Amino acid sequence: GAGVSQSPSNKVTEKGKDVELRCDPISGHTALYWYRQSLGQGLEFLIYFQGNSAPDKSGLPSDRFSAERTGGSVSTLTIQRTQQEDSAVYLCASSPARGGDTQYFGPGTRLTVL
Amino acid sequence: GQQLNQSPQSMFIQEGEDVSMNCTSSSIFNTWLWYKQDPGEGPVLLIALYKAGELTSNGRLTAQFGITRKDSFLNISASIPSDVGIYFCAGQGQGSNYKLTFGKGTLLTVNP
Repeated sequence: GAGVSQSPSNKVTEKGKDVELRCDPISGHTALYWYRQSLGQGLEFLIYFQGNSAPDKSGLPSDRFSAERTGGSVSTLTIQRTQQEDSAVYLCASSPARGGDTQYFGPGTRLTVL
Repeated sequence: GQQLNQSPQSMFIQEGEDVSMNCTSSSIFNTWLWYKQDPGEGPVLLIALYKAGELTSNGRLTAQFGITRKDSFLNISASIPSDVGIYFCAGQGQGSNYKLTFGKGTLLTVNP
């Protein structure tokens, strides 16, 4: 596809369950970002991958959150033992270079924790 | 950490009116960006600003990078119904060439 894709588009889960969110970046983009967007809030940086470098995990809110990027392409964001405050839209973006201004966003996954 | 204050939080205007929104920062940014987000979509970049004082237009949109490097505004002229959405400012600070700090957004409603 031409753009960043994310799946699922919506996810409803019960408190305490684990969830996995997937991001397929634009082909050839070396940088990949995850953000969290809570209702009425701006985008909160979670994690950044650039090529084979160690990811910047400084935005992950707790050790229940983790992400990996396999083969420099697809990324998975995992939230373990979900809590109600994890409910948000999780956005993925990719970029052909380091520059923040060239980030292309996917449509997001809306996560609802009951 | 860096924070952005974006105002207003929401605006209700009539079609054809001009709109202005702004962001201020507690620290200096090297780049200011303005995004628009439609319902169910990710943000789309509208304008990028790289130099203090820079004034850039994209169609009916005009944005400026403040002289102090701590603020930016976005103007939309002659609004149309499809301008409806959430507008976000974002800044890239010193010492980071990839991390963006986002404002909380301005929800724009245009009445036809």
